[in-house]
Amino acid sequence: KNQVEQSPQSLIILEGKNCTLQCNYTVSPFSNLRWYKQDTGRGPVSLTIMTFSENTKSNGRYTATLDADTKQSSLHITASQLSDSASYICVVTPGYGGATNKLIFGTGTLLAVQP
Amino acid sequence: DGGITQSPKYLFRKEGQNVTLSCEQNLNHDAMYWYRQDPGQGLRLIYYSQIVNDFQKGDIAEGYSVSREKKESFPLTVTSAQKNPTAFYLCASSPSGTPSSYEQYFGPGTRLTVT
Repeated sequence: KNQVEQSPQSLIILEGKNCTLQCNYTVSPFSNLRWYKQDTGRGPVSLTIMTFSENTKSNGRYTATLDADTKQSSLHITASQLSDSASYICVVTPGYGGATNKLIFGTGTLLAVQP
Repeated sequence: DGGITQSPKYLFRKEGQNVTLSCEQNLNHDAMYWYRQDPGQGLRLIYYSQIVNDFQKGDIAEGYSVSREKKESFPLTVTSAQKNPTAFYLCASSPSGTPSSYEQYFGPGTRLTVT
């Protein structure tokens, strides 16, 4: 069964510190992997999208890595800010090809940045 | 939230009543989607539409109905047949009917509470 699992479920860090969120998936084959940021009560906003052939993608203080061999991805946040407090969702697109694909969403990691 | 609007932000209904959630986009996207988000679960696809006047069931379509009469509009009706309708509903759109390579842009969501 295609699954996307994220860890930890929740995380508390101090402002200015770095943190790394993990995403493990069993989807095979897959087209791409995305990371979204979702503020409480809002819709998700895309941070990065990587194809299966990419290893890393950055967006400001956010850097995503992908290891397609081990089926793992991580999202590293540098010099955290209070506004980084949100849920971070890993999403994998199955690469069936041809037919419409359906995104597989992880349950998210809830990050709280404290002053 | 890009050019996607959802209304209302909060919606309260009595059990047994049908309710329609609005989703409008001005991004000229072909494809539109409805997701449901529940605590501790990843987003789940309810319905999607790749083109006007056409839509397909997602993973949890039972108790829901949609229409796609205009490119910019994709309303979702939660019927009384939906056994557990209280949830956060997210609408999304993408430039193409195949989401594997295109970004999905999410609206701000509607929180529906049925008592």
